[in-house]
Amino acid sequence: EAGVTQFPSHSVIEKGQTVTLRCDPISGHDNLYWYRRVMGKEIKFLLHFVKESKQDESGMPNNRFLAERTGGTYSTLKVQPAELEDSGVYFCASSQGETVPKNTEAFFGQGTRLTVV
Amino acid sequence: GQNIDQPTEMTATEGAIVQINCTYQTSGFNGLFWYQQHAGEAPTFLSYNVLDGLEEKGRFSSFLSRSKGYSYLLLKELQMKDSASYLCAVEGNSNYQLIWGAGTKLIIKP
Repeated sequence: EAGVTQFPSHSVIEKGQTVTLRCDPISGHDNLYWYRRVMGKEIKFLLHFVKESKQDESGMPNNRFLAERTGGTYSTLKVQPAELEDSGVYFCASSQGETVPKNTEAFFGQGTRLTVV
Repeated sequence: GQNIDQPTEMTATEGAIVQINCTYQTSGFNGLFWYQQHAGEAPTFLSYNVLDGLEEKGRFSSFLSRSKGYSYLLLKELQMKDSASYLCAVEGNSNYQLIWGAGTKLIIKP
């Protein structure tokens, strides 16, 4: 079974440019989460999709970040325009529905390392 | 505010036992997770505690005391491959809105 996949694995862009990150969750997982780890700091929650709906987007830092999950399958996270402080590793995770015990955990992708120069 | 504290770095010897502590202060609590992260890789799930007590899973055990806001991850019979960062995360009020600690870098020496 394929795991959570993220694309690209690395991205280097200039300040002011736009970047779109993609996450393909594990097939059948309704829940999809985005997290970000800025260099030297802890991993922070960005948002949570249940199927195509945004369940919780309280962690999104500002309106330069836009996440979508059309059709409830893969998700994209767009940063426009990118700023220097957006550099970090962006993780995507997926999990099954709430009826499944929590200890089945969320599965993480390898992350996209974004560098804004 | 919400805060999770864990030591920045620990060193242990192959074959030994190490305990990584985590203390938390969060506005809600729905469970505590431990994840392992090797450099450059995604975090992988180790354990989940929602009730007080010790959960044992092979060489790894995790303990939780909700009244003290405290957890620890116990690693036994350490192997070189256990060298990694160990992340403590608390699920607050929202489903999987995990609040993460900064991680403890564990260095295993022969």
